[in-house]
Amino acid sequence: EDQVTQSPEALRLQEGESSSLNCSYTVSGLRGLFWYRQDPGKGPEFLFTLYSAGEEKEKERLKATLTKKESFLHITAPKPEDSATYLCAVQEGNTDKLIFGTGTRLQVFP
Amino acid sequence: DTAVSQTPKYLVTQMGNDKSIKCEQNLGHDTMYWYKQDSKKFLKIMFSYNNKELIINETVPNRFSPKSPDKAHLNLHINSLELGDSAVYFCASSLGDRAFFYGYTFGSGTRLTVV
Repeated sequence: EDQVTQSPEALRLQEGESSSLNCSYTVSGLRGLFWYRQDPGKGPEFLFTLYSAGEEKEKERLKATLTKKESFLHITAPKPEDSATYLCAVQEGNTDKLIFGTGTRLQVFP
Repeated sequence: DTAVSQTPKYLVTQMGNDKSIKCEQNLGHDTMYWYKQDSKKFLKIMFSYNNKELIINETVPNRFSPKSPDKAHLNLHINSLELGDSAVYFCASSLGDRAFFYGYTFGSGTRLTVV
């Protein structure tokens, strides 16, 4: 059965303290791996799609990487406005549905 | 100019009632979805429609019935509400296969509380 596991569940960082979030997955025929950001009381907001092992994508202080079994979301010198829940999701090769992990709740303190 | 809008934002109702949640998107997308987010923040797909045609129908009780009058609207009707239906329901839309590049666009959610 397809599965997505994210770690850690929660992460507290000091402003400027870089770190990484992990997303491990098992899926038959990965079509794409997605990263979303979710703020309290809002819907998930699309960040990146990664398609193949070795691929990297960057957006401001965020950088996502992909291997055959996991993806990392690296946050460089985070700011308080980066505080949110970060969700990882995978899409199977022959379906249109996303299978989400339970997210990592990131808090960045000034 | 909200891209994906859901109404209502909050819904508190008694067990056994029937309720509907409405969703509209103005992005020109051809695929729409309903996702349920439980108290542990786990998002799970319920249904998807492509140009008014049901594509995905996960293992969801028959009390949940989606309706898509046109490709810009996808409503969710729930009969005989139960305590376990309490959750946040998200509507989303995408450009089908091009969701790879642009992702899904989610609404801001409807928090349903059954008492």
